[in-house]
Amino acid sequence: GESVGLHLPTLSVQEGDNSIINCAYSNSASDYFIWYKQESGKGPQFIIDIRSNMDKRQGQRVTVLLNKTVKHLSLQIAATQPGDSAVYFCAENWNSGNTPLVFGKGTRLSVIA
Amino acid sequence: DSGVTQTPKHLITATGQRVTLRCSPRSGDLSVYWYQQSLDQGLQFLIQYYNGEERAKGNILERFSAQQFPDLHSELNLSSLELGDSALYFCASSRQGASSYNSPLHFGNGTRLTVT
Repeated sequence: GESVGLHLPTLSVQEGDNSIINCAYSNSASDYFIWYKQESGKGPQFIIDIRSNMDKRQGQRVTVLLNKTVKHLSLQIAATQPGDSAVYFCAENWNSGNTPLVFGKGTRLSVIA
Repeated sequence: DSGVTQTPKHLITATGQRVTLRCSPRSGDLSVYWYQQSLDQGLQFLIQYYNGEERAKGNILERFSAQQFPDLHSELNLSSLELGDSALYFCASSRQGASSYNSPLHFGNGTRLTVT
């Protein structure tokens, strides 16, 4: 499949361990954030989103944490599986979504079996 | 499967040529967005349409244009192609006019454009 962002930061995690992927966002006015997962040869896949009036949101095996003080977003994946290997992007927008989503550079997660 | 369909999957063409990329949004989604993804630039927003009308514009070149038709499908036209236009082009859709809580963007699997 195609490679995305050959020079991305890479996080290597042992299967079964928890993964934490970090993102520093750019705009203090951002009020909505999304995490996407992109596997080789596919488009970005929605994982979880969070509004700026929340600091934590949980999904199935994933948790997103938002720290507005330091403009930091993280994605925690519990019990990481080989199928979690992908590039992960954070995205933000502001003005209640009336601006396009702005994507971060991405982090490659590599799961070691 | 996101429900967003893009055709063709791959396109190889020569410099100076013109191509059309097609996108069908998820059922019920009124907004269509086009993004370009290259190795150097990541995901870059090009343009958004909502219910047939242009809603927002990013760093889209003048050689590129798009439209959204009454049936809500969209086409991205790329003309006078240059080698640097080689990239993945993604279409995304959302239910409302803005990407927001409970109306996130859902992406198709992209069109891989190679300009030789």
